[in-house]
Amino acid sequence: GQQLNQSPQSMFIQEGEDVSMNCTSSSIFNTWLWYKQDPGEGPVLLIALYKAGELTSNGRLTAQFGITRKDSFLNISASIPSDVGIYFCAGPRDDKIIFGKGTRLHILP
Amino acid sequence: KAGVTQTPRYLIKTRGQQVTLSCSPISGHRSVSWYQQTPGQGLQFLFEYFSETQRNKGNFPGRFSGRQFSNSRSEMNVSTLELGDSALYLCASSWRDGYTEAFFGQGTRLTVV
Repeated sequence: GQQLNQSPQSMFIQEGEDVSMNCTSSSIFNTWLWYKQDPGEGPVLLIALYKAGELTSNGRLTAQFGITRKDSFLNISASIPSDVGIYFCAGPRDDKIIFGKGTRLHILP
Repeated sequence: KAGVTQTPRYLIKTRGQQVTLSCSPISGHRSVSWYQQTPGQGLQFLFEYFSETQRNKGNFPGRFSGRQFSNSRSEMNVSTLELGDSALYLCASSWRDGYTEAFFGQGTRLTVV
């Protein structure tokens, strides 16, 4: 079936560092979505991308829709403790949204 | 504008029982999807309803069912609970047909003992 592959699976960074993560697929997506999930909560939509090559920012977060339409990237600048959580990429497919397995972000004190 | 509301937040049931979870979508949203989230499997799609009709169903046994009411509120039911049904059940709503964005509730944490 359709899969979204996220990497890395987890990251350990120092507060203040920049973070990069990506999501790839073997098939084309027309929309890329990035969600963040805090422990015990539902995922929260961070950024939605609708056009190949599009670069969209939301505060310290920047996401890009890959030109091939088979990948997307999320960057977080100057990380802070509240950035801890799981970041999911997602895309609509056949009247449902499918999700990657997530990238778990840890911030070292 | 109120977000997606799921009730209850936490639930403990014993094997063999059945359970009903509720989801109230964002006002004006007509599409409601349900997902099961477990540590090992991630977010797995259960089913999606639009205007009271189930449009899509994931690969779950028939013990998992759902419905949507005319006010777009949705319920999902799991019968004959098994230990492996313990998970966070998430509901997401979207406003348009063939949706491209979904907004999630906080989830219902179901524990089967």
